[in-house]
Amino acid sequence: NAGVTQTPKFRILKIGQSMTLQCTQDMNHNYMYWYRQDPGMGLKLIYYSVGAGITDKGEVPNGYNVSRSTTEDFPLRLELAAPSQTSVYFCASSPTAGELFFGEGSRLTVL
Amino acid sequence: AQKITQTQPGMFVQEKEAVTLDCTYDTSDPSYGLFWYKQPSSGEMIFLIYQGSYDQQNATEGRYSLNFQKARKSANLVISASQLGDSAMYFCAMREGRYGNKLVFGAGTILRVKS
Repeated sequence: NAGVTQTPKFRILKIGQSMTLQCTQDMNHNYMYWYRQDPGMGLKLIYYSVGAGITDKGEVPNGYNVSRSTTEDFPLRLELAAPSQTSVYFCASSPTAGELFFGEGSRLTVL
Repeated sequence: AQKITQTQPGMFVQEKEAVTLDCTYDTSDPSYGLFWYKQPSSGEMIFLIYQGSYDQQNATEGRYSLNFQKARKSANLVISASQLGDSAMYFCAMREGRYGNKLVFGAGTILRVKS
């Protein structure tokens, strides 16, 4: 029972580098999400997808890109990493309505 | 505009006592869902309880209950018989619309249970 799987769990980037956070779910959920959580704060929605081929911006999309080529996968791309992107990133999925199922989080540090 | 407001940054409760964590929300959509999540120090997000806007009764799940006051737009979480393991960050969240595609979170409340 894998649920939502995120990789990597930890990563350190230098300013200006790029990387992709991977997210896979095996529950056949239509909806998938990327959130970021800064220290001591709530979760901010970066991007979400309501199905394969469909993505939309959330509250804080600048500096990120996503794609949804399959139901299972929803990778988050960071281009030109900046210190402000140091955060914990959570991927989540849900059925059409209802609770979100979260991955374990990916801790990213940009130095 | 702030959709979800949690006004208590931190709370203390004595073990075995009940505690209420406040949450108010703002929406003009008659159909919405309210959620509470727990985030322990290990970092994972744990779903606790859900309340739909059309639900007639307050939701309950074990020691968790949701005090839903629709007219006041509040959805407070009540934890009965607090345990040391309840120490965590608690988030209130809302999904608007019958098939709302976004879950918006509040800033959270840190709960510390004292022995």
